[in-house]
Amino acid sequence: DGGITQSPKYLFRKEGQNVTLSCEQNLNHDAMYWYRQDPGQGLRLIYYSQIVNDFQKGDIAEGYSVSREKKESFPLTVTSAQKNPTAFYLCASSMGFSNQPQHFGDGTRLSIL
Amino acid sequence: GEDVEQSLFLSVREGDSSVINCTYTDSSSTYLYWYKQEPGAGLQLLTYIFSNMDMKQDQRLTVLLNKKDKHLSLRIADTQTGDSAIYFCAESMSNDMRFGAGTRLTVKP
Repeated sequence: DGGITQSPKYLFRKEGQNVTLSCEQNLNHDAMYWYRQDPGQGLRLIYYSQIVNDFQKGDIAEGYSVSREKKESFPLTVTSAQKNPTAFYLCASSMGFSNQPQHFGDGTRLSIL
Repeated sequence: GEDVEQSLFLSVREGDSSVINCTYTDSSSTYLYWYKQEPGAGLQLLTYIFSNMDMKQDQRLTVLLNKKDKHLSLRIADTQTGDSAIYFCAESMSNDMRFGAGTRLTVKP
């Protein structure tokens, strides 16, 4: 079955530590996205990638980094510079970048120890 | 603030119809979407409507689009307890996609 896989489902970070969230898709989609979701709020775009080896900052990129070395994979690193990282992180992909529905993974919940 | 606005809560009785409303601000939006999110899960695409359509029906779901008022609604007929979730409206432009804050639908038996 085609889909988007995010791992791990739960992740804990210590102060001053970088952590990486995994996102893999087998839908052959060109575009991939990372969103942050806080309780009672909508989705805020962190980074997106329209194609392999290219990515752009979203609305709240500070304290995060990404890479897109393979079409299937778009990992997100939450760096120690992100002072309030506790949130639910959602990865999505779409066939193309313009006017295409986005399909979502099941999310990773990141908490601070 | 949000470009897409939704009321935060809706409560209905099982078997009734639910209507979730959304307003958007960009008249150039090409597609408008409804997503469903269950607790601890990602967003599931329910349905979408192209901006040149007024209505789309898919089984128990009916989407109405009033482009003049930039108003989108999702009607769920014969609402079941399994429909309890957060529903997100989203608008898609040529190079962007914006989500509302979500409406939490509670279905009471």
